[in-house]
Amino acid sequence: TQLLEQSPQFLSIQEGENLTVYCNSSSVFSSLQWYRQEPGEGPVLLVTVVTGGEVKKLKRLTFQFGDARKDSSLHITAAQPGDTGLYLCAGARGSQGNLIFGKGTKLSVKP
Amino acid sequence: KAGVTQTPRYLIKTRGQQVTLSCSPISGHRSVSWYQQTPGQGLQFLFEYFSETQRNKGNFPGRFSGRQFSNSRSEMNVSTLELGDSALYLCASSTSSGIYNEQFFGPGTRLTVL
Repeated sequence: TQLLEQSPQFLSIQEGENLTVYCNSSSVFSSLQWYRQEPGEGPVLLVTVVTGGEVKKLKRLTFQFGDARKDSSLHITAAQPGDTGLYLCAGARGSQGNLIFGKGTKLSVKP
Repeated sequence: KAGVTQTPRYLIKTRGQQVTLSCSPISGHRSVSWYQQTPGQGLQFLFEYFSETQRNKGNFPGRFSGRQFSNSRSEMNVSTLELGDSALYLCASSTSSGIYNEQFFGPGTRLTVL
């Protein structure tokens, strides 16, 4: 059973388009983290959201945590080829223990 | 601050052999976690070490083991390798004082079992 479902699995868009990636669960998390992973590298932490309803912005990326702290979304405005990569959401339960990862959304932005 | 380092970056082994992977966490980080990443299953948690003790364990067979040294460096060992063990093995470190369990990953070791 996958505790964190990400959608879509794959996304191929043209430069300049907007997109949204979703991360859903039936479980409550104390925090949710978004990572981006490029080929041959480890995931890099983009943001952590901790409060239900919280919205965080990182340049053209907007992250939202659901009110019930069970889901999250990542919206990219005017995507650029440099945004290409695997986007992973990960849920944490408390300050210790393992993160639970979604399977990721593979984004390709074509010039 | 230097990031998490993992050695080796690439490894090719044959079935039945054993392998040891190494991870050096960010300076000051005392928690080290290991994950296996495959295209089909994504990132799956193997185990976490804190202050030389295994604090958390995922659902992997006993062929997968690890340890942590007093300087927080960690190793993981896989014995009797199987073809299905081919994967990217990621190490992540985190600070024990962090309240959000944010983890910082190394570049991984790509293990291929032939």
